[in-house]
Amino acid sequence: DVKVTQSSRYLVKRTGEKVFLECVQDMDHENMFWYRQDPGLGLRLIYFSYDVKMKEKGDIPEGYSVSREKKERFSLILESASTNQTSMYLCASSLEGYTGELFFGEGSRLTVL
Amino acid sequence: GENVEQHPSTLSVQEGDSAVIKCTYSDSASNYFPWYKQELGKRPQLIIDIRSNVGEKKDQRIAVTLNKTAKHFSLHITETQPEDSAVYFCAATTSGTYKYIFGTGTRLKVLA
Repeated sequence: DVKVTQSSRYLVKRTGEKVFLECVQDMDHENMFWYRQDPGLGLRLIYFSYDVKMKEKGDIPEGYSVSREKKERFSLILESASTNQTSMYLCASSLEGYTGELFFGEGSRLTVL
Repeated sequence: GENVEQHPSTLSVQEGDSAVIKCTYSDSASNYFPWYKQELGKRPQLIIDIRSNVGEKKDQRIAVTLNKTAKHFSLHITETQPEDSAVYFCAATTSGTYKYIFGTGTRLKVLA
C-alpha cells in the first residue's frame, strides 16, 4: 500500500521559532511536493523537488525553505515562523516522467502563536 | 497566471440525488485533469481523472466530462450517499510539468 507519512499531525509554535516539517514516502518516487491548504484558497504549491538535492520554488515560497538529502525524505523548514504561516501543510509525491496521481500525506496542522 | 476556478464552494444535496461540480481552467496547454476527495481529517485522494484526448470517463457512480473548447470540466456524482460528504478539489496540469493548479474546493454535504 502506497504511503506518504508526515512526522507531525499537529504542532503549536511561537512566533520566531524554527519549524521542521518532515515527509517520508516509501514508493521510490522521484517527485515530492509541499502544499499549503487554506480554506477558500485550495492547495498552493510551496516547493517541489524532482531529485535528491534538487528543488524548485512553487507559487508561495517566501518564508519557507526545503531540504532533500535522501530520495524518500523531503523536509519543509520555516526559518522564523510567523502567525500568517498558521495553516495545514500537505506533502505529496509522484512518479517522475509520469503525469498522474499525486499521493498525499495526512497533513500537518501548524499553529503559530 | 494560470488558474482554475471551481464552483460551487458548498453544495448540499439530498441522499440519492445527483451532484455536479464545475471547474474552468485558463491554460490551454493543460491536458490532465484529476479530481481529489478529502474527507474530514483525511488526506486528499484521487477519485477520478481525465486526459485531454477523452471527453468523458465514468467509474461507477462518478463521472467526469471535459470540454476542451470551453476549457471546463465537471465532476458528476449520481445516487449520492452520506459517505460522499467531503471536500472535492479539481486540478489541471500539463504533461512534462510538475505544476498542478488546484481549484479552491467544494464542500459537498449529502443529507440523509
